[in-house]
Amino acid sequence: EPEVTQTPSHQVTQMGQEVILRCVPISNHLYFYWYRQILGQKVEFLVSFYNNEISEKSEIFDDQFSVERPDGSNFTLKIRSTKLEDSAMYFCASKGGGGGATQYFGPGTRLTVL
Amino acid sequence: GDSVTQMEGPVTLSEEAFLTINCTYTATGYPSLFWYVQYPGEGLQLLLKATKADDKGSNKGFEATYRKETTSFHLEKGSVQVSDSAVYFCALSDRTSYDKVIFGPGTSLSVIP
Repeated sequence: EPEVTQTPSHQVTQMGQEVILRCVPISNHLYFYWYRQILGQKVEFLVSFYNNEISEKSEIFDDQFSVERPDGSNFTLKIRSTKLEDSAMYFCASKGGGGGATQYFGPGTRLTVL
Repeated sequence: GDSVTQMEGPVTLSEEAFLTINCTYTATGYPSLFWYVQYPGEGLQLLLKATKADDKGSNKGFEATYRKETTSFHLEKGSVQVSDSAVYFCALSDRTSYDKVIFGPGTSLSVIP
């Protein structure tokens, strides 16, 4: 069964460094998402991406964050200058169709900022 | 805005006990409703879903019915197993084209032999 994959599974970085989290969505999907889950808290929406542009973003998704689909398969989340509070599990998701279609989540990347 | 509320955990049950995790939602439109499960150290897996009123989602012995009149989507299982120990998230999407998923806070379930 097709699945969303994410790399790396765990990323450790120093505060102020840039990180890029990578996702490979399911191949025929058109809508892409990033969510995050701070340890012990609920999963929060960050951004949605469709037709090579951001369709919606949350208040969390400030100027330090950016997303890109650099080629036909990858979808990346970049954090320009990491803060301690960016430490979280980051989930990528994708879906094939429009309203009501199911989103499929990747296994997550655990980001630790020291 | 749209939101999801679910019973706080942790919930501890003995094997073969009956499980109910309550979930209620607030939404302006007609959302799709989901239960996701997160096993220890793993990502989010879709457990079941329902897309319209009175629909029943079911999977692996778990069931939930979309109740529009009570804005609820309670998760039930007749006989839990140790392997069901996980965190369960109730969630909705607003069914617009981009429809982000909004999650509840999660309920941690521990099943003891």
